[in-house]
Amino acid sequence: AQSVSQHNHHVILSEAASLELGCNYSYGGTVNLFWYVQYPGQHLQLLLKYFSGDPLVKGIKGFEAEFIKSKFSFNLRKPSVQWSDTAEYFCAVNDDSSASKIIFGSGTRLSIRP
Amino acid sequence: DTAVSQTPKYLVTQMGNDKSIKCEQNLGHDTMYWYKQDSKKFLKIMFSYNNKELIINETVPNRFSPKSPDKAHLNLHINSLELGDSAVYFCASSQEVRTHSKDTGELFFGEGSRLTVL
Repeated sequence: AQSVSQHNHHVILSEAASLELGCNYSYGGTVNLFWYVQYPGQHLQLLLKYFSGDPLVKGIKGFEAEFIKSKFSFNLRKPSVQWSDTAEYFCAVNDDSSASKIIFGSGTRLSIRP
Repeated sequence: DTAVSQTPKYLVTQMGNDKSIKCEQNLGHDTMYWYKQDSKKFLKIMFSYNNKELIINETVPNRFSPKSPDKAHLNLHINSLELGDSAVYFCASSQEVRTHSKDTGELFFGEGSRLTVL
């Protein structure tokens, strides 16, 4: 069964700092990869997704992620964070053996100091 | 217009009671889900239905019974509530999910239902 690991539980940055959140998955087959964001008190919403093609994926609000198959990784990046990026970030994956089963990582809480 | 709506948003109840959470989506999606988010924000899939048919049941106690009267609704009924059931329950929907499809996998979440069992 696949799993998703997010090793950073809580990241604290100052505004304008660069961000990279780690995500690793365990499945060796064909996967789709996602990053979701949950702003305080709100529901999850999609930031970006990878399904095929260019491994560098651009999402909303200036976020991007790079799929590195050899490292089983899909790290999220943003060159310059804003206070409004304070949220919980979740990496997720599904695979070709069970496409409807989208598995989430444990989440990374991002706190931005104004 | 809310795409995925859940009711109630907050639910406080005593151990041993039975409660239900309702979910409706107006996106025309075929697949609906229930996820449980615990106090540490860990999000775990519980059930998935495709066109009213159960396709995923993730080792959830049988006190939890999902019901899908039509593809736009997926309700969750919980019997004999326990303290450990306290969590935020999220309903979600998506188009039919296929790998390597650009339409796959985007989940649209409801706002969550916070269940507190005393």
